[in-house]
Amino acid sequence: KAGVTQTPRYLIKTRGQQVTLSCSPISGHRSVSWYQQTPGQGLQFLFEYFSETQRNKGNFPGRFSGRQFSNSRSEMNVSTLELGDSALYLCASSRRTGENGYTFGSGTRLTVV
Amino acid sequence: EDQVTQSPEALRLQEGESSSLNCSYTVSGLRGLFWYRQDPGKGPEFLFTLYSAGEEKEKERLKATLTKKESFLHITAPKPEDSATYLCAVPNAGNMLTFGGGTRLMVKP
Repeated sequence: KAGVTQTPRYLIKTRGQQVTLSCSPISGHRSVSWYQQTPGQGLQFLFEYFSETQRNKGNFPGRFSGRQFSNSRSEMNVSTLELGDSALYLCASSRRTGENGYTFGSGTRLTVV
Repeated sequence: EDQVTQSPEALRLQEGESSSLNCSYTVSGLRGLFWYRQDPGKGPEFLFTLYSAGEEKEKERLKATLTKKESFLHITAPKPEDSATYLCAVPNAGNMLTFGGGTRLMVKP
């Protein structure tokens, strides 16, 4: 059974640019959540999508956005990149709600220079 | 607002030296508590879910327990390959996980 797939694994961008990250959940999982992980702040929730609808959003600026497609694949976009956006971005999927656990992907390491 | 605190931040053990990691939580209504293991540069790997006080789960050298205020991850006779960061998290009604800061475990041979 394939796990959660995130692409790309590594990304280097310049301040002011925008970036799009992709996440393919486990087959049958319809909920996709995104998290940002930094050494200083740990893991912080960005947003969650279910059946192409954003159900929840964390406390991040509007530069961070996402979407989910009909096949449950999800993308997140960060516009006008800042140095502080450098982080490991993690995607997690679950069936409907998370009671049975969330499966994380390996993440996308974003470096903003 | 849900809060999760893990201690210690870092723990060094000799191979075979058993110990416990702590996860204290404050939530409006517990919907479960998750333990994850994270290796450097990788995503968290699911270990356990606990739902009610008194519940225990085991996997190899790891045992997780839950009370009304905290959870413990007991590591029995650890090996160097158990070295990792261990994270605990609680979900809210909105399917959002609140994570603790993690415990970085180092097991020396």
